[in-house]
Amino acid sequence: GQQVMQIPQYQHVQEGEDFTTYCNSSTTLSNIQWYKQRPGGHPVFLIQLVKSGEVKKQKRLTFQFGEAKKNSSLHITATQTTDVGTYFCAGDQAGTALIFGKGTTLSVSS
Amino acid sequence: DGGITQSPKYLFRKEGQNVTLSCEQNLNHDAMYWYRQDPGQGLRLIYYSQIVNDFQKGDIAEGYSVSREKKESFPLTVTSAQKNPTAFYLCASSITFSSNQPQHFGDGTRLSIL
Repeated sequence: GQQVMQIPQYQHVQEGEDFTTYCNSSTTLSNIQWYKQRPGGHPVFLIQLVKSGEVKKQKRLTFQFGEAKKNSSLHITATQTTDVGTYFCAGDQAGTALIFGKGTTLSVSS
Repeated sequence: DGGITQSPKYLFRKEGQNVTLSCEQNLNHDAMYWYRQDPGQGLRLIYYSQIVNDFQKGDIAEGYSVSREKKESFPLTVTSAQKNPTAFYLCASSITFSSNQPQHFGDGTRLSIL
């Protein structure tokens, strides 16, 4: 069945360093969504990418959707302690339920 | 203030006991979902409902049951057949079941075995 793989599982950075998490699907996706879950909290929707090669920015966060619509990345520039949490990608083929990756847990030391 | 309310926040189950987790939303969303979250496993779909009086099994439905008698309510029962129920359970909703709709999550229920 369809799978959404996410790497790395864990990442520790010093405050001010950059961070990237990658998401790969075994099949072409109709769209991809990104969520952030703070420690002890629930996932919160960040953004959705729909078009092949799409790039979107939210302040220090840059999201990309691959040309083949099978992979995506989230890049954070100059991490801050407020970026701590687990970042999930979620994708699907049209008409199916979202499949979530296992997430990348980011820790930041000041 | 619109949102999704899950209760209780913490729940303890005895061996052989069924327990029901509550999920209520006042967002007027058609679609609702139940996920199970274990450490390092991400979110796994248990059941989902596209519309009232309808629901489908997700990837890990065995040992669970749901109902969707009202648009705003989607309770999850963890039955005694679920041998490893200890986990964090998240309820979510979206405007429709369409894949381009973001999901809104409740605060979750943490279930443990006594």
